[in-house]
Amino acid sequence: QQKVQQSPESLIVPEGGMASLNCTSSDRNVDYFWWYRQHSGKSPKMLMSIFSNGEKEEGRFTVHLNKASLHTSLHIRDSQPSDSALYLCAASRGSALGRLHFGAGTQLIVIP
Amino acid sequence: NSKVIQTPRYLVKGQGQKAKMRCIPEKGHPVVFWYQQNKNNEFKFLINFQNQEVLQQIDMTEKRFSAECPSNSPCSLEIQSSEAGDSALYLCASSLQGHTEVFFGKGTRLTVV
Repeated sequence: QQKVQQSPESLIVPEGGMASLNCTSSDRNVDYFWWYRQHSGKSPKMLMSIFSNGEKEEGRFTVHLNKASLHTSLHIRDSQPSDSALYLCAASRGSALGRLHFGAGTQLIVIP
Repeated sequence: NSKVIQTPRYLVKGQGQKAKMRCIPEKGHPVVFWYQQNKNNEFKFLINFQNQEVLQQIDMTEKRFSAECPSNSPCSLEIQSSEAGDSALYLCASSLQGHTEVFFGKGTRLTVV
């Protein structure tokens, strides 16, 4: 069964708008969360990672983590057409040497 | 630009044929992963290595795939007898150690006809 659930499956936002993506793990043993972005035909590239409760901001991107509920969210402000891509959430356990459990992704489309 | 190099980018095989793909991990990265990404964008972990040793692999990999990461040579993943359901993007990735960034190659897109 899918251990990492992402929502929504797809999201359309206008240029300049805010995109909010969600991710929850059902595996209580995970302790690290990763957000990857994959443009069509390209390899996934890490956007941000988070290990501690709270919030982390890098430029237009903000990640939240609630370790009690194993829920993380990614927020993109001032969305640009170049942000259109598949956003993948992944979770990993400290004991598993970095093996990532991926969600099925959120397809983000930013309309100019 | 990804420093994980995968070859070939595209591979077309008939059912029952062997399909072999290669990966050169980023220099200095001892941990290598192979994932399968299907047409629905779902990722399936296949196998990982630390240096030349297999750390974990799923049943499918053990039964139908041959994989290795020899020292001073590219890592490889080979399907012994391709099936239509094996059509997917095969991604190789590498990292320094657990809980550091995992870097992905551009993948080998396998089509089994």
